[in-house]
Amino acid sequence: NAGVTQTPKFQVLKTGQSMTLQCAQDMNHEYMSWYRQDPGMGLRLIHYSVGAGITDQGEVPNGYNVSRSTTEDFPLRLLSAAPSQTSVYFCATTVTYERNTEAFFGQGTRLTVV
Amino acid sequence: SQQGEEDPQALSIQEGENATMNCSYKTSINNLQWYRQNSGRGLVHLILIRSNEREKHSGRLRVTLDTSKKSSSLLITASRAADTASYFCATTGTYKYIFGTGTRLKVLA
Repeated sequence: NAGVTQTPKFQVLKTGQSMTLQCAQDMNHEYMSWYRQDPGMGLRLIHYSVGAGITDQGEVPNGYNVSRSTTEDFPLRLLSAAPSQTSVYFCATTVTYERNTEAFFGQGTRLTVV
Repeated sequence: SQQGEEDPQALSIQEGENATMNCSYKTSINNLQWYRQNSGRGLVHLILIRSNEREKHSGRLRVTLDTSKKSSSLLITASRAADTASYFCATTGTYKYIFGTGTRLKVLA
């Protein structure tokens, strides 16, 4: 199993450009989420999905769109990149068993907007 | 705002010493987890402690949970240079993870 795969690993964008960060998982987990990590800020939830066809906003959703057409894929779209979106982005899946939830993270995408 | 707040924000110790990090949270939880992140890498799950547990061990890691104080601590014993990383606590609600800001640990050889 590959687990959670994010592409690309690195990306540089110009202000105003759009792009899609890809996230794919092969664990058949229903729940997927996107986080951004900024220095000294920890992780902040951008969007999440509890299953195919269902998405919802997290803590910092502005400037990002998501869709979930399949269980495996959860792409994150930047509509018009801004320097404030320079960050490291992590995709994660979670699985809940009994009363516990465990998360599996991708390796991250380092995005720089100039 | 972040629910989990780690303390201290940064910690520097000598190899062989113990490292203790604390985490406070605000709402009721099902469980609390600790993660490690090496520089430039993704998150690695370390340990999970359930809300009805008070202490848990895993190798050199010891985690405590005090739900009355809404706090947890992570103790790394006999630290090694390879333990140098950032450590995050995360609390789980329904389908959501809420992470703290992390403690940056540096172990000097």
